[in-house]
Amino acid sequence: DIQMTQSPSSLSASVGDRVTITCQASQDISNFLNWYQQKPGKAPKLLIYDASNLETGVPSRFSGSGSGTDFTFTISSLQPEDIATYYCQQYDNLPRLTFGGGTKVEIK
Amino acid sequence: EVQLVESGGVVVQPGGSLRLSCAASGFTFDDYIMHWVRQTPGKGLEWVSVISWDGGSTYYADSVKGRFTISRDNSKNSLYLQMNSLRTEDTALYYCVKDRYPRVQGVLDYWGQGTLVTVSS
Repeated sequence: DIQMTQSPSSLSASVGDRVTITCQASQDISNFLNWYQQKPGKAPKLLIYDASNLETGVPSRFSGSGSGTDFTFTISSLQPEDIATYYCQQYDNLPRLTFGGGTKVEIK
Repeated sequence: EVQLVESGGVVVQPGGSLRLSCAASGFTFDDYIMHWVRQTPGKGLEWVSVISWDGGSTYYADSVKGRFTISRDNSKNSLYLQMNSLRTEDTALYYCVKDRYPRVQGVLDYWGQGTLVTVSS
């Protein structure tokens, strides 16, 4: 199975800061990588699909990049409503999907 | 508006059985692959099972293979998960999840609110 390693596991940043989360796959997954946001008590929400495509309705301060084994998720200017846990997920090894361990983002 | 509403989560003893249901609305249900994904505080998000648009193909995580069965009734716009031989490690919030593209797997664009399964004596 493909393992997804996310880092950091948590971070604290100030409003307006640029926030970056990385996700590393244990093998080449091309661009078959999605990012989700999960706010406390809520279900996950799709933000980025195919590594860099912004889901409809998602603010443009969110972005994703990368291919192969190394991927990056960025919030260009952190807002209070972005407090959440963020997960990456691969879908190269179908039918099995695997998620990263999550990154909890807090406001400093 | 897409809606996925799970039900059936309860407290059950180890070795017991349970059937989860998911009522879908707001999209053409029989066009889409559907999944069950679970979440525990200790292990994060774990994909459990997937079923093809017509129910003809099913796949499972190794952790539940042989114990869980996914099924669907397209006439009722419903997804199911039959859970047998339950273990304490199956305790989790179970989500019903829809794929983004018709008949293509991998991008999970709508999630239900989840139903809590607790396996405990």
